[in-house]
Amino acid sequence: AQSVTQLDSQVPVFEEAPVELRCNYSSSVSVYLFWYVQYPNQGLQLLLKYLSGSTLVESINGFEAEFNKSQTSFHLRKPSVHISDTAEYFCAVSRSGGSYIPTFGRGTSLIVHP
Amino acid sequence: NAGVTQTPKFRVLKTGQSMTLLCAQDMNHEYMYWYRQDPGMGLRLIHYSVGEGTTAKGEVPDGYNVSRLKKQNFLLGLESAAPSQTSVYFCASSYSFASTDTQYFGPGTRLTVL
Repeated sequence: AQSVTQLDSQVPVFEEAPVELRCNYSSSVSVYLFWYVQYPNQGLQLLLKYLSGSTLVESINGFEAEFNKSQTSFHLRKPSVHISDTAEYFCAVSRSGGSYIPTFGRGTSLIVHP
Repeated sequence: NAGVTQTPKFRVLKTGQSMTLLCAQDMNHEYMYWYRQDPGMGLRLIHYSVGEGTTAKGEVPDGYNVSRLKKQNFLLGLESAAPSQTSVYFCASSYSFASTDTQYFGPGTRLTVL
């Protein structure tokens, strides 16, 4: 079985500062990795995902995440955050090579202060 | 194209009362899911469906029942609500059951059981 650990429950940061949201996973098999974002009072929506190929994946709003197999991590980063990035961010892992429902982490609340 | 919608948005129940949460999707997705979201716990899968007329248990199915009579609808029932079922409930759907696929989430139902 797969598991996901999001080490930080809350990350406060000032606007225009860089941010990193940490995600580590545990699995004995190959995995796919996802970051979902939940804006206040909304459902989750996909931010980005790693399936194969380049270990660095990017989203359309400036976030990026790097798959690091040796460290079993998939940290999410943004060089300069905006107030509008305030949201809950969920890391998820799914076993590769078939039909498996993803396992979600506990979430990290990103709070961007002006 | 409304995506995934959930009814109702909010509900307060007394212990022992019953209710049904409705999820509808207009994307012709075969697969649908019910999750609950609790603080510090992330998302946990309650039940899911791989097609019309089929349902299966997830991680935390006890106290809930589901039905998928029509492809576009997935109902979650609480026969006798308990305070432990106070949570935010999210419905999601996906085109396929592949591990690579994205899940599309509804806006959630906030349920309080007194």
